Amino acid sequence: DTGVSQDPRHKITKRGQNVTFRCDPISEHNRLYWYRQTLGQGPEFLTYFQNEAQLEKSRLLSDRFSAERPKGSFSTLEIQRTEQGDSAMYLCASSPRSPDDWAYFGPGTRLTVL
Amino acid sequence: QQPVQSPQAVILREGEDAVINCSSSKALYSVHWYRQKHGEAPVFLMILLKGGEQKGHEKISASFNEKKQQSSLYLTASQLSYSGTYFCVPTNDYKLSFGAGTTVTVRA
Repeated sequence: DTGVSQDPRHKITKRGQNVTFRCDPISEHNRLYWYRQTLGQGPEFLTYFQNEAQLEKSRLLSDRFSAERPKGSFSTLEIQRTEQGDSAMYLCASSPRSPDDWAYFGPGTRLTVL
Repeated sequence: QQPVQSPQAVILREGEDAVINCSSSKALYSVHWYRQKHGEAPVFLMILLKGGEQKGHEKISASFNEKKQQSSLYLTASQLSYSGTYFCVPTNDYKLSFGAGTTVTVRA
């Protein structure tokens, strides 16, 4: 069990550029979550996958955000035409199937949009 | 719907006790508690299930009142390592929604 990993750990980009983040969950974890967190706030739910199916996406999430989880393994989060307001920590978490199980978080990707 | 926690922040001296309360407007299946230290990702503390079952891997106690849709986390004889932001995450489905949390500062 190597834990949840995320890549890159830090990303600096210019406004208007596209960025993509990767999350590798703990193997055999069916559920995968993406969150966004800004300073002083709790993690904000972005989207959730059960295996390869994206079951829920935050209604507050802009269409510039898209996430995939091909074959139910790793996941990617893409932000198109980045804006300065997108600057945040992006957290990925995974969890086994049962609702009794808790989530394991990755270290996060820190995005800075200049 | 995000949970409501109180207090928003608390400062303790080592050895003191504190209680963090959490309430939800939705009927609950379970409540998760996480702690996040500055600059780190949230880490699971414990889960409380309907019927009183608890699962966790830290010696921190908590309670869950299903009827009142409330949970409380008890920090007893606090240590410096208890400092961080505590989040309760009520669940009635697979979605895990975090609120603003409670920031705990333990001083020597």
